[in-house]
Amino acid sequence: DAKTTQPNSMESNEEEPVHLPCNHSTISGTDYIHWYRQLPSQGPEYVIHGLTSNVNNRMASLAIAEDRKSSTLILHRATLRDAAVYYCILRNFGNEKLTFGTGTRLTIIP
Amino acid sequence: EAQVTQNPRYLITVTGKKLTVTCSQNMNHEYMSWYRQDPGLGLRQIYYSMNVEVTDKGDVPEGYKVSRKEKRNFPLILESPSPNQTSLYFCASSRAFDYGYTFGSGTRLTVV
Repeated sequence: DAKTTQPNSMESNEEEPVHLPCNHSTISGTDYIHWYRQLPSQGPEYVIHGLTSNVNNRMASLAIAEDRKSSTLILHRATLRDAAVYYCILRNFGNEKLTFGTGTRLTIIP
Repeated sequence: EAQVTQNPRYLITVTGKKLTVTCSQNMNHEYMSWYRQDPGLGLRQIYYSMNVEVTDKGDVPEGYKVSRKEKRNFPLILESPSPNQTSLYFCASSRAFDYGYTFGSGTRLTVV
């Protein structure tokens, strides 16, 4: 199964952009890159996903490297409510065996 | 409201007493999945289902059973719970592989 690697923790100042990295060097051509986040005392929440091109939605942006071996979740203007654990996972058609790992704990400094 | 509903939210039980945690989704999603979350270990997948009557093992299936007799429901069954199954459990559903998963609010299980 394709795995991802993320830093254990990151800090960012409130109202500044945040770039959360994820490495997935064993990604296959049909793996989608998904990002989730988990706020304290809540279930995980879908954030964004992409295959090859960069993606934007109301929550965040996803930048995917040209070789697809890494990606970056971008929060354009962090707020205190963005403090959470962020998970990067790979998902493929026909294979729903998903590995979330321990994610990146993002702390926002007021 | 589109949601994944788990019941119960909290459960304390004794070793060996069979229990079922229910999961239901109202979004007509094909895919459903169960996870457990333990401190320092993150989210680990127990079982998943890609359609009715189609289930498969995740990373930590030992001690658990599931069934998918209808699209909306995906119960997690612990035939003989043990203390090492004390954990926070999440159910999730997804429309397809290129859509996100919607997670339930979780079930905190304690086995004594």
